Amino acid sequence: EDQVTQSPEALRLQEGESSSLNCSYTVSGLRGLFWYRQDPGKGPEFLFTLYSAGEEKEKERLKATLTKKESFLHITAPKPEDSATYLCAVPRTGGGADGLTFGKGTHLIIQP
Amino acid sequence: EPEVTQTPSHQVTQMGQEVILRCVPISNHLYFYWYRQILGQKVEFLVSFYNNEISEKSEIFDDQFSVERPDGSNFTLKIRSTKLEDSAMYFCASSKGLAGALLQFFGPGTRLTVL
Repeated sequence: EDQVTQSPEALRLQEGESSSLNCSYTVSGLRGLFWYRQDPGKGPEFLFTLYSAGEEKEKERLKATLTKKESFLHITAPKPEDSATYLCAVPRTGGGADGLTFGKGTHLIIQP
Repeated sequence: EPEVTQTPSHQVTQMGQEVILRCVPISNHLYFYWYRQILGQKVEFLVSFYNNEISEKSEIFDDQFSVERPDGSNFTLKIRSTKLEDSAMYFCASSKGLAGALLQFFGPGTRLTVL
């Protein structure tokens, strides 16, 4: 069974204090790892897709990296507007129009 | 920028009633999905739909659920006889297919409250 585990569950940082969020996954044959941002009461908003170990993607203060067992979302000098829940997801094992298996997310709070 | 839209934003219903949640996927997308998120829990896959038929469904998607694409733009989720435990946010998503098949874009969600 596909497993996605995110840590920590919650993280409170001061504005400008850099940190990393972790996503560990167990799938048979990774066909992509996805990072989404979710604001309260809203739908997940796509951030990054990573497909192979060693791959990195960047967007503003965020950088996502991927190894064979986990992915990290690095947040550099965060601002209060980066406060959100960050979700990691992998395609379900099986063919067809694959649904995603999500982790529980990391609830990030950036204090001014 | 194209986006997935969902209506209504909030639906309140009595236990045992039927509800239909509506979604308009991004216009050139070929794959459509429904997910749910119970308050405080993770986003869970319900069903995927391609070429006018269900492609994959999870164990959550039992006989009380059905999906339909009644016309060229709408994608609906029907819950036949709602239960208290169906209370959740329901998200529709769509993806392009082919090389972009796995990249899914989500709508804002419908909050379903079953009383």
